[in-house]
Amino acid sequence: GAGVSQSPSNKVTEKGKDVELRCDPISGHTALYWYRQSLGQGLEFLIYFQGNSAPDKSGLPSDRFSAERTGGSVSTLTIQRTQQEDSAVYLCASSLGLISYNEQFFGPGTRLTVL
Amino acid sequence: QQQVKQSPQSLIVQKGGISIINCAYENTAFDYFPWYQQFPGKGPALLIAIRPDVSEKKEGRFTISFNKSAKQFSLHIMDSQPGDSATYFCAATITLGRLYFGRGTQLTVWP
Repeated sequence: GAGVSQSPSNKVTEKGKDVELRCDPISGHTALYWYRQSLGQGLEFLIYFQGNSAPDKSGLPSDRFSAERTGGSVSTLTIQRTQQEDSAVYLCASSLGLISYNEQFFGPGTRLTVL
Repeated sequence: QQQVKQSPQSLIVQKGGISIINCAYENTAFDYFPWYQQFPGKGPALLIAIRPDVSEKKEGRFTISFNKSAKQFSLHIMDSQPGDSATYFCAATITLGRLYFGRGTQLTVWP
């Protein structure tokens, strides 16, 4: 089967615009994670979902960031009023469940550039 | 606060040599320690992982050494090959699966 897919692969936007990033996890994976990879901060956790529920949103950098998951499958990360410091690669991962030793499979990421 | 500290930041090794990357952690609640390999333009991919009740795990040319008392673990790549050139991340996690990553090590293997 297919791995984790993300779209778009690249997104260039102007400061102040809203963007939506999409993640399609591996079929049957109940857990879904969003991470952000940037030169200054490395790989940082943003949020995770178990099913459609996001119990811990503390990793989101500001209230401009939000995420949702529908049907226990596709997830969307939305960034409102984008800022230049939001420029990074946004990675999505999925796993069979939230148990620590369940492998997380990563998508190729969406490279966001805010001009 | 960086929960997992990784060194070195970059590493250059001759083909056939041994590459060693070190990581340290503070949170004794961590119960799973994976290593991820990332090639340019790709997402990280699981390379090898270990639980803290094991001191060493070997898979092919890749070995994790784990020292629970020192709260340190390391990745050894034996007989390093140019195809191993990538960025390597150590990580740690507990139940709920959120990964805490090290900053990464960019490995270059010269032919």
